[in-house]
Amino acid sequence: DAKTTQPPSMDCAEGRAANLPCNHSTISGNEYVYWYRQIHSQGPQYIIHGLKNNETNEMASLIITEDRKSSTLILPHATLRDTAVYYCIVIPNSGYALNFGKGTSLLVTP
Amino acid sequence: DARVTQTPRHKVTEMGQEVTMRCQPILGHNTVFWYRQTMMQGLELLAYFRNRAPLDDSGMPKDRFSAEMPDATLATLKIQPSEPRDSAVYFCASGLLGRELFFGEGSRLTVL
Repeated sequence: DAKTTQPPSMDCAEGRAANLPCNHSTISGNEYVYWYRQIHSQGPQYIIHGLKNNETNEMASLIITEDRKSSTLILPHATLRDTAVYYCIVIPNSGYALNFGKGTSLLVTP
Repeated sequence: DARVTQTPRHKVTEMGQEVTMRCQPILGHNTVFWYRQTMMQGLELLAYFRNRAPLDDSGMPKDRFSAEMPDATLATLKIQPSEPRDSAVYFCASGLLGRELFFGEGSRLTVL
């Protein structure tokens, strides 16, 4: 699996956009970037994934650089309920994650 | 809403006792995963099943852990004998091959 690097923690004011970066400089051509989040005491929850094009769904947007070596998860209007640990992982097509890493702990403040 | 169901949610046991955790995957999903989460190691894979066949259990201590899928509606993770270092939250997840995973709420295990 390609390794990912995320900042350990970030803060964001409620109502503002939260931009969570992820570095995956060793990603291979057939590997997807997946984002999950884990709210305290709950199981991880899928957010979004992409291969090379930017993606958007009802939860977030995913921006992948042209060289695919990094990506940014964007929560356009963060709420207090978005406070969670966000995991960026890289998975080959039809593959699976061996380890989710430590992720980024996002704190949304009033 | 379809969801992955895990039991028990909490378990406290003494060292040496057998522990069995159960998971009901979402109906129709053909992949099932067991992950363990600790503060030190994060979320790490223990076992992976596809169409009920075990395909990867490289992350699982073989001498004391075992994982099975007796049928499509039940996955089990057994620890015998349990040790204090097994204290963790154990998550089950299911999905379709190559798609996102749906996680259960986890089983928090404390071994005294």
